[in-house]
Amino acid sequence: AQKITQTQPGMFVQEKEAVTLDCTYDTSDPSYGLFWYKQPSSGEMIFLIYQGSYDQQNATEGRYSLNFQKARKSANLVISASQLGDSAMYFCAITYGGSQGNLIFGKGTKLSVKP
Amino acid sequence: KAGVTQTPRYLIKTRGQQVTLSCSPISGHRSVSWYQQTPGQGLQFLFEYFSETQRNKGNFPGRFSGRQFSNSRSEMNVSTLELGDSALYLCASSKGQNTGELFFGEGSRLTVL
Repeated sequence: AQKITQTQPGMFVQEKEAVTLDCTYDTSDPSYGLFWYKQPSSGEMIFLIYQGSYDQQNATEGRYSLNFQKARKSANLVISASQLGDSAMYFCAITYGGSQGNLIFGKGTKLSVKP
Repeated sequence: KAGVTQTPRYLIKTRGQQVTLSCSPISGHRSVSWYQQTPGQGLQFLFEYFSETQRNKGNFPGRFSGRQFSNSRSEMNVSTLELGDSALYLCASSKGQNTGELFFGEGSRLTVL
């Protein structure tokens, strides 16, 4: 069965420094997708980055990059040059049953950026 | 390009009542998914609709139902509300293929008294 594990309930990072948010997964699907979302206190889920299981290269989107290690079943999010506005909850999610509309989410990591 | 629009944003109901939430997907998107977010259970998948057909369903009781219209707009309904139904309900839309494009709305925050 699909499962996402985010082992860091909360993290602090200094402004302008890089930070890595951990995500490990388990799946029985031969093909799957991995998502990262940011959720500020307002509640909206903001799409950050996506990695398909057959993608050869790690995904990057601006300051966000995904460190995808398929053999280790990990999909860590790296945020470079942290900004105060990056303070939020971050969720890792994996597709289930071959449909990207059906996601299994982790418990999330609360990131706090210090000035 | 307009994003995913959910209405209402906030609502308060009492136990036993029913509620209908609406979601308008991004133009051109044919898939709409619904999620429930609570502090205790986190984010949980409710159901997914594609071209007016329910494609997937999560592990929720039959009080939770949904539908999708020909213009891809979707509604979800919760009948006989319970206190535990208090949650943020999030809608997500995509084109329906596994392209990595899955965008959420701002959510509807339901409080059941």
